[in-house]
Amino acid sequence: AQSVTQPDIHITVSEGASLELRCNYSYGATPYLFWYVQSPGQGLQLLLKYFSGDTLVQGIKGFEAEFKRSQSSFNLRKPSVHWSDAAEYFCAVVSMEYGNKLVFGAGTILRVKS
Amino acid sequence: ETGVTQTPRHLVMGMTNKKSLKCEQHLGHNAMYWYKQSAKKPLELMFVYNFKEQTENNSVPSRFSPECPNSSHLFLHLHTLQPEDSALYLCASSQELRFTDTQYFGPGTRLTVL
Repeated sequence: AQSVTQPDIHITVSEGASLELRCNYSYGATPYLFWYVQSPGQGLQLLLKYFSGDTLVQGIKGFEAEFKRSQSSFNLRKPSVHWSDAAEYFCAVVSMEYGNKLVFGAGTILRVKS
Repeated sequence: ETGVTQTPRHLVMGMTNKKSLKCEQHLGHNAMYWYKQSAKKPLELMFVYNFKEQTENNSVPSRFSPECPNSSHLFLHLHTLQPEDSALYLCASSQELRFTDTQYFGPGTRLTVL
């Protein structure tokens, strides 16, 4: 079945530590890939997106993500986490195989220890 | 993000009540969306409107009735809901109905059905 998988439901990191959030997809063709963040009480905000070209994508708030076709992955990274990064992070995919609609993963909740 | 507003932010209703959720976007976008966000489940697309016309109904039960009187406003009319309909309902908009367009989300309405 076509899906977007975020294997980690919760992740806790210390402030200043590096972060990597995992995302895997199971679509046949290369999909279009997105990362969104949802802070408490807020709607989702786009962090970055990948359509083609350079597989390392820079986003807002110091985040980056790398598309790895061989691993069907699009992991989100940040070299140094700030307490304000505590939020829920969603990977999402658009694929022609699914009618060009955004399909979201279940999300990863990030907690930041001070 | 103040470009997309939703009211009310919280709503408690009984199964026999009729209520409406309102979404307004101040971004001049032409496409609008309703999503359902349930605990521990991925976001589910419910309805899509493009230039006030419904283009997508993702097998949503008829107890949810959307209305889009103009490109800036989107409503979700609710009647005879079930407790399993309790969720966060998110509205989003995009410039056009293209998967490459960023979707901007409102903060959501937290709905509790008793």
